[in-house]
Amino acid sequence: DVKVTQSSRYLVKRTGEKVFLECVQDMDHENMFWYRQDPGLGLRLIYFSYDVKMKEKGDIPEGYSVSREKKERFSLILESASTNQTSMYLCASRESSVGGELFFGEGSRLTVL
Amino acid sequence: AQSVTQLDSQVPVFEEAPVELRCNYSSSVSVYLFWYVQYPNQGLQLLLKYLSGSTLVKGINGFEAEFNKSQTSFHLRKPSVHISDTAEYFCAVSERAGGTSYGKLTFGQGTILTVHP
Repeated sequence: DVKVTQSSRYLVKRTGEKVFLECVQDMDHENMFWYRQDPGLGLRLIYFSYDVKMKEKGDIPEGYSVSREKKERFSLILESASTNQTSMYLCASRESSVGGELFFGEGSRLTVL
Repeated sequence: AQSVTQLDSQVPVFEEAPVELRCNYSSSVSVYLFWYVQYPNQGLQLLLKYLSGSTLVKGINGFEAEFNKSQTSFHLRKPSVHISDTAEYFCAVSERAGGTSYGKLTFGQGTILTVHP
């Protein structure tokens, strides 16, 4: 079975802290994505990666960065967390085909105090 | 750039009634279209997708959707819903080659379907 694993289901951080959200997939997929999900706003794309060491900005990249050193792992970094980054973060992966299905992790709920 | 609008944020319906969840998209090029479902406290999973061919697409759990290019719509339907269909449903679009958003999957705002007994 396809599996996308997000390292933390719940995190609580303080304003100004550096936050790492980790995502690992076991399907040898080329593409990986980070979205944030907020009520009434749906899913908004933060960053995506076509392949190792490649990244593209999504629709809301400000305040975030990403790292993809290995094919199976895609990390989202909040350099200095702020309260408006309190949200549910979803990682997903996909084979290289643009028409392919996205497989999602269960999400990481981040609260910034 | 591509965008998706889901016209209803919440849809309440009684069990065994039909339902339609509406989705409109915008793009300067041809697109692929998707519906995903998120059950409470779970991740998203694919319901169905339109890539090409027949404009009527059938998915899991008895859902189907119709691609209408002239109206730029991809509405989701089910003839008879069950309590277990209670979930949030997301429409999504991805541009085919040539678009400025190529590679991205853009989601709508979501529609919460609540099925009452």
